[in-house]
Amino acid sequence: EAQVTQNPRYLITVTGKKLTVTCSQNMNHEYMSWYRQDPGLGLRQIYYSMNVEVTDKGDVPEGYKVSRKEKRNFPLILESPSPNQTSLYFCASSSTGGHYYEQYFGPGTRLTVT
Amino acid sequence: GQQVMQIPQYQHVQEGEDFTTYCNSSTTLSNIQWYKQRPGGHPVFLIQLVKSGEVKKQKRLTFQFGEAKKNSSLHITATQTTDVGTYFCAGRGGGSQGNLIFGKGTKLSVKP
Repeated sequence: EAQVTQNPRYLITVTGKKLTVTCSQNMNHEYMSWYRQDPGLGLRQIYYSMNVEVTDKGDVPEGYKVSRKEKRNFPLILESPSPNQTSLYFCASSSTGGHYYEQYFGPGTRLTVT
Repeated sequence: GQQVMQIPQYQHVQEGEDFTTYCNSSTTLSNIQWYKQRPGGHPVFLIQLVKSGEVKKQKRLTFQFGEAKKNSSLHITATQTTDVGTYFCAGRGGGSQGNLIFGKGTKLSVKP
């Protein structure tokens, strides 16, 4: 089954404690992206990757890091989480044929930073 | 920077009524996508529009891309309770093709 998986699904942590949210896709997609979703603000892109070892900032990259060492994985790293990073996070992937088609989203990770 | 404005923020309709949500970009878009997110779920791709003036239909849903490629709309005819959710547009501008800007979404509720 074609899917994007994220782990963990729920996480409560404390300020300053480094954490990683994993994202994996089994569709051999070149493009992967991270978004955060906050009430009233919609989805905002954090980072994206056009292919292995190619990453770029989205609209809200501050406080986040990513890496793309393998095609299927695109982890999101919070080196020193702060309460304003409490949010719902989605990972997504798509092929890059033509005009970059549909993105497949993971189930989301709800992060709370206290 | 590029912005995508989406209105209305909320829409409450009686089942059977029509529904429309609009997106406007501050810059010309190379393409626009539409997604639906059910309560508690993740966004699900509906469609992508690429050509100026393009119109696409999916059963009761009609999607339009403006002639100037700066605006788009989604129209649902005769809403059903299964249409409940938040509808997002997402546009790619002339810059990096990887940068996707989402509108804030329109939350649709349908009263049976």
